[in-house]
Amino acid sequence: NAGVTQTPKFQVLKTGQSMTLQCAQDMNHEYMSWYRQDPGMGLRLIHYSVGAGITDQGEVPNGYNVSRSTTEDFPLRLLSAAPSQTSVYFCASSESTGSYGYTFGSGTRLTVV
Amino acid sequence: AQSVTQLGSHVSVSEGALVLLRCNYSSSVPPYLFWYVQYPNQGLQLLLKYTSAATLVKGINGFEAEFKKSETSFHLTKPSAHMSDAAEYFCAVSERTGGFKTIFGAGTRLFVKA
Repeated sequence: NAGVTQTPKFQVLKTGQSMTLQCAQDMNHEYMSWYRQDPGMGLRLIHYSVGAGITDQGEVPNGYNVSRSTTEDFPLRLLSAAPSQTSVYFCASSESTGSYGYTFGSGTRLTVV
Repeated sequence: AQSVTQLGSHVSVSEGALVLLRCNYSSSVPPYLFWYVQYPNQGLQLLLKYTSAATLVKGINGFEAEFKKSETSFHLTKPSAHMSDAAEYFCAVSERTGGFKTIFGAGTRLFVKA
């Protein structure tokens, strides 16, 4: 029972580089979300998806793209990395009624230099 | 728009003392409410949730929270703190319809003194 799997766990990027953070869940959850965690700011919602083919913006979407071609996968793409995107990124999933709360991945620590 | 305010970024208690972590929310409709815990270098784990059944909700590790609609609050309590409770705690609110968009508070770090 893997739950939510995020890769990589650590990444260092140079300013302007692009990369994709991977997220996969094996619980057949409809809802998936990406959050970034910064000290003193809690978790801020970047993008979320209510099912395959459906995505929407959260609180801080600029500089990030997502797609949801399958129920299992929800990758987050950084188009042109900036130092302000240095953060810990969490992917989370939930069943469709939303009342059970999220299952979180273990996070990706990203540093942009 | 929904929002969450956690009062106190740091709370320190002695082992065996009452733990009280405060959370107030803003939502145009009755929301779902959650408390999560995060231990160092880990993801978040669900502690407990309110989904419109009993207003007093019991969770894991002896924690409980009470939903008070009139005060728009969902404070987290534990009668007797243990050293292992030291962690960061997040309150979260989510919509009941339209996508289950979940917004988190800034977090409260709990310190437990021996």
